[in-house]
Amino acid sequence: QQQVKQSPQSLIVQKGGISIINCAYENTAFDYFPWYQQFPGKGPALLIAIRPDVSEKKEGRFTISFNKSAKQFSLHIMDSQPGDSATYFCAARSGTYKYIFGTGTRLKVLA
Amino acid sequence: DSGVTQTPKHLITATGQRVTLRCSPRSGDLSVYWYQQSLDQGLQFLIQYYNGEERAKGNILERFSAQQFPDLHSELNLSSLELGDSALYFCASSGQGAGETQYFGPGTRLLVL
Repeated sequence: QQQVKQSPQSLIVQKGGISIINCAYENTAFDYFPWYQQFPGKGPALLIAIRPDVSEKKEGRFTISFNKSAKQFSLHIMDSQPGDSATYFCAARSGTYKYIFGTGTRLKVLA
Repeated sequence: DSGVTQTPKHLITATGQRVTLRCSPRSGDLSVYWYQQSLDQGLQFLIQYYNGEERAKGNILERFSAQQFPDLHSELNLSSLELGDSALYFCASSGQGAGETQYFGPGTRLLVL
């Protein structure tokens, strides 16, 4: 019940294409859903986040879509660029400030 | 640069040994989180401290312990090390009451031989 399932494990997208990463959860007590971007040799960095009372949040080329009834949320990267090549993690937070992370998606954007 | 510092950057040790990883949070942040990242796994939450007190616990082994000091820096102690403990260990910090945006340090890469 504490898991966050992330897919796909890896993703290859052409430059200019749309990258889509999906996450699903079961615990309805989760109240905050961030996405992190991690480059090799670096720590994860917050990319964008959403609360369950909002269905969509957009920041630049990055959009989170949130489906509360389905308990799913996804990250869309529009106009994907080679510089977006990284590992992306979804996460969910419970009220105790405990974060559960997905297993990550390795994105490669081909030039 | 996230403002979170971790030392050492790399650590190589032998099985059965004990090591201490150190983390300094961003200025003003009261919460410190520790995570383990193994090769084929995502980030595993270990433990969280808030202003010196343990706030939340994840899948932290009994061989591991942590503390947060009055100056808010934190240490993660790993003892009786096993080969499987080889991983990246990340520290993250967040502000008072926020508990939302976690800022991650660069990590400590631990190799147990």
